[in-house]
Amino acid sequence: DSGVTQTPKHLITATGQRVTLRCSPRSGDLSVYWYQQSLDQGLQFLIQYYNGEERAKGNILERFSAQQFPDLHSELNLSSLELGDSALYFCASSTGGVLNSPLHFGNGTRLTVT
Amino acid sequence: AQSVAQPEDQVNVAEGNPLTVKCTYSVSGNPYLFWYVQYPNRGLQFLLKYITGDNLVKGSYGFEAEFNKSQTSFHLKKPSALVSDSALYFCAVRDSGTYKYIFGTGTRLKVLA
Repeated sequence: DSGVTQTPKHLITATGQRVTLRCSPRSGDLSVYWYQQSLDQGLQFLIQYYNGEERAKGNILERFSAQQFPDLHSELNLSSLELGDSALYFCASSTGGVLNSPLHFGNGTRLTVT
Repeated sequence: AQSVAQPEDQVNVAEGNPLTVKCTYSVSGNPYLFWYVQYPNRGLQFLLKYITGDNLVKGSYGFEAEFNKSQTSFHLKKPSALVSDSALYFCAVRDSGTYKYIFGTGTRLKVLA
């Protein structure tokens, strides 16, 4: 068990809808990362937060947004959903301060857009 | 920009044989390298990381990685493969400038009984 909790595990929704994915990092970790994993595109970095502040942005669509709250949990909001947004969405956390500290991943949220 | 490459989409090995999953890297400055494993419908699990000065790093589940600075490689190895090692393996590098973790495209390992 990595200590990173993601909810929900599965989400099925229709095109055009909006969903929120939630992540609780490992105890003591200040940094949260979001990744998207689809069959044909591997693991794509979306966004990183450190202690409530956005630190790095990857290939995140404008329809997607995220935030990290004072208790360090994070939410990824996906809106105007399209079929192509169907994927596994992972949250990962790390201590953030040390460059060789590894990421610890949750088990992901599988999003299916119909 | 920092990057990693995993040249093999899939590696097949017989149970009991040694296995190698390849990774090459491109970094400016010190390399911060990691290996992860992903089982079906699960998140990535951390296996091991490069420790400066150690050319052979030991990790979880009997895995180890060989660091070669001249070849800019960080290959994952195990002396004797198990069927249960069959999974998707990712090499990653951490960008010291942006703090991003950059993952390779993954290598699917199949260990045949």
